[in-house]
Amino acid sequence: DTAVSQTPKYLVTQMGNDKSIKCEQNLGHDTMYWYKQDSKKFLKIMFSYNNKELIINETVPNRFSPKSPDKAHLNLHINSLELGDSAVYFCASSTGLGNQHFGDGTRLSIL
Amino acid sequence: GENVEQHPSTLSVQEGDSAVIKCTYSDSASNYFPWYKQELGKGPQLIIDIRSNVGEKKDQRIAVTLNKTAKHFSLHITETQPEDSAVYFCAASTYNDMRFGAGTRLTVKP
Repeated sequence: DTAVSQTPKYLVTQMGNDKSIKCEQNLGHDTMYWYKQDSKKFLKIMFSYNNKELIINETVPNRFSPKSPDKAHLNLHINSLELGDSAVYFCASSTGLGNQHFGDGTRLSIL
Repeated sequence: GENVEQHPSTLSVQEGDSAVIKCTYSDSASNYFPWYKQELGKGPQLIIDIRSNVGEKKDQRIAVTLNKTAKHFSLHITETQPEDSAVYFCAASTYNDMRFGAGTRLTVKP
């Protein structure tokens, strides 16, 4: 069984559109994260949720809105997509102070 | 906030040689230091980690050392194999907050 799964794996869309990425973990972890990985492979934290509550909100445009309906899910909605949003987005989960388990990423391409 | 620097950005070694990747961190409150390996098209996967009360840890061909006073930690891979080729990330973490280095692309030439 996949521990952290994200859908879709690939997302190709036009500039200005709104899109969502879904993430689910079956590890029973309390904390979930979204990271953005750019073309140079740099992994930047975007958001972190602990027990459905936002605990980290880095300097991310408010076009990005995370939603955590329960501990096992953390979705990412992006409004008015821009060219600079093209990247790979990773979801991860952890128990707090420990290894983060990553999904396989969603490659977002803006045309 | 935490700032993690990682060197080198690229590393090429001959199969069988050793590889060393070094990281420094800025936040003295960081107390968990994992290393991740990322293969093409996959998410980062933990390969070894160390906590702040330990100076060194080894797992087969992989070892990590931590110097809390100097705020630096290193990954050592011995007897490298072509399948070790990947991007490696160090990270420094406090509770619920992990910051990553910029990554090292390791190439092991057969």
